Amino acid sequence: GENVEQHPSTLSVQEGDSAVIKCTYSDSASNYFPWYKQELGKRPQLIIDIRSNVGEKKDQRIAVTLNKTAKHFSLHITETQPEDSAVYFCAATLSGSARQLTFGSGTQLTVLP
Amino acid sequence: NAGVTQTPKFQVLKTGQSMTLQCAQDMNHEYMSWYRQDPGMGLRLIHYSVGAGITDQGEVPNGYNVSRSTTEDFPLRLLSAAPSQTSVYFCASSYEDPGLAGAPSYNEQFFGPGTRLTVL
Repeated sequence: GENVEQHPSTLSVQEGDSAVIKCTYSDSASNYFPWYKQELGKRPQLIIDIRSNVGEKKDQRIAVTLNKTAKHFSLHITETQPEDSAVYFCAATLSGSARQLTFGSGTQLTVLP
Repeated sequence: NAGVTQTPKFQVLKTGQSMTLQCAQDMNHEYMSWYRQDPGMGLRLIHYSVGAGITDQGEVPNGYNVSRSTTEDFPLRLLSAAPSQTSVYFCASSYEDPGLAGAPSYNEQFFGPGTRLTVL
């Protein structure tokens, strides 16, 4: 079935450095790609999303890029801070439907002071 | 608005027991979903609903039932709990925005606080 693969599963960076998390998807009809941040013991919360008609989107220190041809999208966090430490999940719509999301397995990001 | 609420926050069951996880939202969202979250496996869709009276199966539906009698509520029932159902359960609600003309609709999901279930 359709799936979303996410890499790496763990990522450690020094404070102030950049972090990049990558996801690939299998369903060419997918058209919406959100990224969620989940702090320990909390619910996932949307941090940025991108639609298939856009190649890049930026919100302050966070950016997402989408390559539809290669079917992959990436999250970029610049000038990382300790409060960026969390698990990040990518997701993609399933079978072209805006109503179902398939999630990646998550990346544990640790920002070292 | 309270957003998406879930009860209980924690629950311990014995194998074979049944129970219902409650989920409610006050944002008048059409779409509601149930996910389970296990270590290293992300969020997996159990069941979802696109409106009152309409439900469908997700990726891992076995052992769970749902119903949607109102827009606000979407309970998840465990019929006969098994240790494999030990997990954190999240309910989510969402809406479909037509977006700009010619652009695909998108679907931001709002998650509840979760229910941590342990089956012994």
